[in-house]
Amino acid sequence: NAGVTQTPKFQVLKTGQSMTLQCAQDMNHEYMSWYRQDPGMGLRLIHYSVGAGITDQGEVPNGYNVSRSTTEDFPLRLLSAAPSQTSVYFCASRNDRQNTIYFGEGSWLTVV
Amino acid sequence: AQSVTQPDIHITVSEGASLELRCNYSYGATPYLFWYVQSPGQGLQLLLKYFSGDTLVQGIKGFEAEFKRSQSSFNLRKPSVHWSDAAEYFCAVGANGNKLGFGAGTILRVKS
Repeated sequence: NAGVTQTPKFQVLKTGQSMTLQCAQDMNHEYMSWYRQDPGMGLRLIHYSVGAGITDQGEVPNGYNVSRSTTEDFPLRLLSAAPSQTSVYFCASRNDRQNTIYFGEGSWLTVV
Repeated sequence: AQSVTQPDIHITVSEGASLELRCNYSYGATPYLFWYVQSPGQGLQLLLKYFSGDTLVQGIKGFEAEFKRSQSSFNLRKPSVHWSDAAEYFCAVGANGNKLGFGAGTILRVKS
């Protein structure tokens, strides 16, 4: 049982490049979300999805896009990377009948 | 709107000593409260959670937390700290486990 899997674990981008952070879960969870973690700020919600075909914005959505074409996958796209997007990104999922969020191991992104 | 305050950025305790990490929250309804732990370079692991019922909840690794509605607090405690407890701890609040708001984190250092 892999849980929540994020790829890549580390990535360096140049300003203006685009990329996609992948997130997959094998627990058949309806709810998935993306957070970014910055020093002294805890985790902040970027986007979330309550099911396939449904997404919504979180606290810090600007510069990011998401889609949810399947229950298992919830990719996060950076359209034009900026140094301010240097951060650690965490994908998470939750079963609608539980109230526990399970986190992936994180993706370290540096934008130069 | 929800918010979480962890007043202590860093705490240092001696191995074997007791520990209390503070968490205060602001939330418009009955909160769902969580404590997560993050070791360096790792994802977040759930320590414990509170939804309702007994206000003293037990978690993994010997941790417990007490929900005090009158003080809007959910402090994390451990009677005897081990060196392996050194990590960063995050308090979080949300509804049904959705759209969690995180505190900025408290870094725990353990002196031998």
